[in-house]
Amino acid sequence: EAQVTQNPRYLITVTGKKLTVTCSQNMNHEYMSWYRQDPGLGLRQIYYSMNVEVTDKGDVPEGYKVSRKEKRNFPLILESPSPNQTSLYFCASTSVDRANTGELFFGEGSRLTVL
Amino acid sequence: GEDVEQSLFLSVREGDSSVINCTYTDSSSTYLYWYKQEPGAGLQLLTYIFSNMDMKQDQRLTVLLNKKDKHLSLRIADTQTGDSAIYFCAEMVAGRRALTFGSGTRLQVQP
Repeated sequence: EAQVTQNPRYLITVTGKKLTVTCSQNMNHEYMSWYRQDPGLGLRQIYYSMNVEVTDKGDVPEGYKVSRKEKRNFPLILESPSPNQTSLYFCASTSVDRANTGELFFGEGSRLTVL
Repeated sequence: GEDVEQSLFLSVREGDSSVINCTYTDSSSTYLYWYKQEPGAGLQLLTYIFSNMDMKQDQRLTVLLNKKDKHLSLRIADTQTGDSAIYFCAEMVAGRRALTFGSGTRLQVQP
């Protein structure tokens, strides 16, 4: 089954404790992206990657890091989480030809709470 | 700048038509989208329209685009309880690698 898998789905952590949210897709997609969803703000892009070893900042990259060492995986790293990073996070992927048309496949989301 | 706006909530009765509206500000939008988010799930692409079109129909869904007014709407005919979800309008601007999403409209379908 074609899917985008995120882990963990739910996490409560404390300020300053490094964490990683993993994202894996099995569709051989080149393009992967992370969004955060906050009430009243819709989804905002954090980082994206057009292919292995190619990453770029989105609209709200501050406080986040990403890496793309393999095509299928695109982890989101919070080196020192703060309460304003409490949010619902979505990973999405698509093929390069679809990246230009915005047809994204989304994971089920990871709800992160930073105390 | 880019801004996509939607009303927050819509309630309809089962069997009625639903119309969800969206306005956007960037005239260089190339594609406009409707995504659906069911409770506890990720977003799912419902339909999209290219900016040189003014209407697209796909079974119970009709998308209308008014480029002059920068207004996009999604009409769901014969709305069912399974249509209850949050609907996001989004735009793709030429030269960018990201979608700009609205804040979502929660559709509640009453039996």
